[in-house]
Amino acid sequence: EDQVTQSPEALRLQEGESSSLNCSYTVSGLRGLFWYRQDPGKGPEFLFTLYSAGEEKEKERLKATLTKKESFLHITAPKPEDSATYLCAVRRDYKLSFGAGTTVTVRA
Amino acid sequence: DTAVSQTPKYLVTQMGNDKSIKCEQNLGHDTMYWYKQDSKKFLKIMFSYNNKELIINETVPNRFSPKSPDKAHLNLHINSLELGDSAVYFCASSPGGGGAGTQYFGPGTRLTVL
Repeated sequence: EDQVTQSPEALRLQEGESSSLNCSYTVSGLRGLFWYRQDPGKGPEFLFTLYSAGEEKEKERLKATLTKKESFLHITAPKPEDSATYLCAVRRDYKLSFGAGTTVTVRA
Repeated sequence: DTAVSQTPKYLVTQMGNDKSIKCEQNLGHDTMYWYKQDSKKFLKIMFSYNNKELIINETVPNRFSPKSPDKAHLNLHINSLELGDSAVYFCASSPGGGGAGTQYFGPGTRLTVL
């Protein structure tokens, strides 16, 4: 069975304090690793797709990287509006298997 | 012009009742999904339809029955509601084929069973 483990569960940062979130995965026939952002009371919002080891994607202060066993989401100089739960998921066929998420709180 | 919409947003009901949640997408996507997010925020796939055909049916009690009248709609009917059904239910859609991982989620329906 596909397994996705995210760490840490929660992360409290000061504004401007860069950090990284980890997503380790076990899946046969990986067809992509996905990062989503979820704000309280809302549905997840797509951020990135990574397909192969060594691939990197960037969007504003976020950068996602992928190895054969894990992915990292780096948050550079975060702002309070980056506060959210970040979800990692792996795809096999049409199915996405999600991790439990990392809740990031950025204090001004 | 909401991309994926769900109704209702909140649903409070008694144990044993039957209820439905409706979902509509205006993105022209081929594939739609139902997810359950429990109190620990863990998001788990329940069902998926591709062009009105059921393609994913996870281990879900048969009290849950999805229905897709057309490609833009996927409804979820739940019979004989139980306390453990309390959760947030999300509908999502995606392009078919290689784009299936890029899913667009609705705002969720918070179901509370008393």
